Amino acid sequence: RKEVEQDPGPFNVPEGATVAFNCTYSNSASQSFFWYRQDCRKEPKLLMSVYSSGNEDGRFTAQLNRASQYISLLIRDSKLSDSATYLCVVNSDYKLSFGAGTTVTVRA
Amino acid sequence: NAGVTQTPKFQVLKTGQSMTLQCAQDMNHEYMSWYRQDPGMGLRLIHYSVGAGITDQGEVPNGYNVSRSTTEDFPLRLLSAAPSQTSVYFCASSRTVNTGELFFGEGSRLTVL
Repeated sequence: RKEVEQDPGPFNVPEGATVAFNCTYSNSASQSFFWYRQDCRKEPKLLMSVYSSGNEDGRFTAQLNRASQYISLLIRDSKLSDSATYLCVVNSDYKLSFGAGTTVTVRA
Repeated sequence: NAGVTQTPKFQVLKTGQSMTLQCAQDMNHEYMSWYRQDPGMGLRLIHYSVGAGITDQGEVPNGYNVSRSTTEDFPLRLLSAAPSQTSVYFCASSRTVNTGELFFGEGSRLTVL
């Protein structure tokens, strides 16, 4: 079983829509969680950390459910510039494990 | 403001050849790591280092060696290239692993024929 699993998508949404997707992780002892964004043929970049109580950063909301071992990302009022692959990242014992990514395409 | 610098950006090798991917960071980060990214597989950790003189294996270490003689540099060596090592390689660093904020290089696209 992969340490981190994501629905690959793609999620095709119109501008202004809300899109949400999850990521599950296998190691219950994982310490910290993050969402990264990767544009086509570019390096990944940190989007936001995920805190136990949930957190927002502008139009982005991240949630953590330790009991069910998943994290989620919700994007409100989608913009064309949100089109990217979103990578779920889990920190366990000095190792950051990446999911394969969820592709989001926002259309005009 | 260089950040993480990887070289070369592109490389074509023949099976059995060896090469070194260079990685340097100028942010005085303790943690450095190498990932490979393949379609549908996401980024997989090859090796990582939590400080100079300390390295450890990640998920897919076979066929690769690393060393960390200085804080700044973390080269990845392919000892005898195989077609299965065709991939995009990313070097990344962070102040500590627990911050989760990895700074990535631009990637190195390696093709092994």
